[in-house]
Amino acid sequence: EAQVTQNPRYLITVTGKKLTVTCSQNMNHEYMSWYRQDPGLGLRQIYYSMNVEVTDKGDVPEGYKVSRKEKRNFPLILESPSPNQTSLYFCASSSSNEQFFGPGTRLTVL
Amino acid sequence: AQKVTQAQTEISVVEKEDVTLDCVYETRDTTYYLFWYKQPPSGELVFLIRRNSFDEQNEISGRYSWNFQKSTSSFNFTITASQVVDSAVYFCALSDLPSTGANNLFFGTGTRLTVIP
Repeated sequence: EAQVTQNPRYLITVTGKKLTVTCSQNMNHEYMSWYRQDPGLGLRQIYYSMNVEVTDKGDVPEGYKVSRKEKRNFPLILESPSPNQTSLYFCASSSSNEQFFGPGTRLTVL
Repeated sequence: AQKVTQAQTEISVVEKEDVTLDCVYETRDTTYYLFWYKQPPSGELVFLIRRNSFDEQNEISGRYSWNFQKSTSSFNFTITASQVVDSAVYFCALSDLPSTGANNLFFGTGTRLTVIP
């Protein structure tokens, strides 16, 4: 079954404690991206990757890092989380014909 | 720059009524894709439709229909005979297509639809 998986699905953490949200896809897609969803703002792209070792900033990259060492994985790293990064995060994987979203990770930073 | 506007923040209808969700977009690209996604209370994003900029034919899928008009830069979504299960947040999105053809989506702010039994 074609899918994008994210872990964890829910996370409560404290300011400054580094965390990683994993994302994995099984469709051999080259293109992956991360979005955050906030009330009244819709979804905004954080980072994207067009292939292994190729990443670039989206619209709201501040405070985030990503890496793409393997085609299937695209982790999102928050080196020093802050309360304004409390949000719902979606990983996405796409080809030219289709786009799949992961189930979402709800992050709360206290 | 790409932009998607969903002016309706919240809509409430009584079950079995028809409802139209508006979407207006801006882009300088001549080739682009438009999407609608549904986000039910459980939170996942459910793909509903993708339409490319060269295909202005309206589309119908069961109780759902979409009206794409390039002249007004709109891609409106109508639910006929609404049901309680249609209650969700609906997002319209525009795809930026770089040369690789991959999708970089620009989302509207969403419309929350509540269908009252």
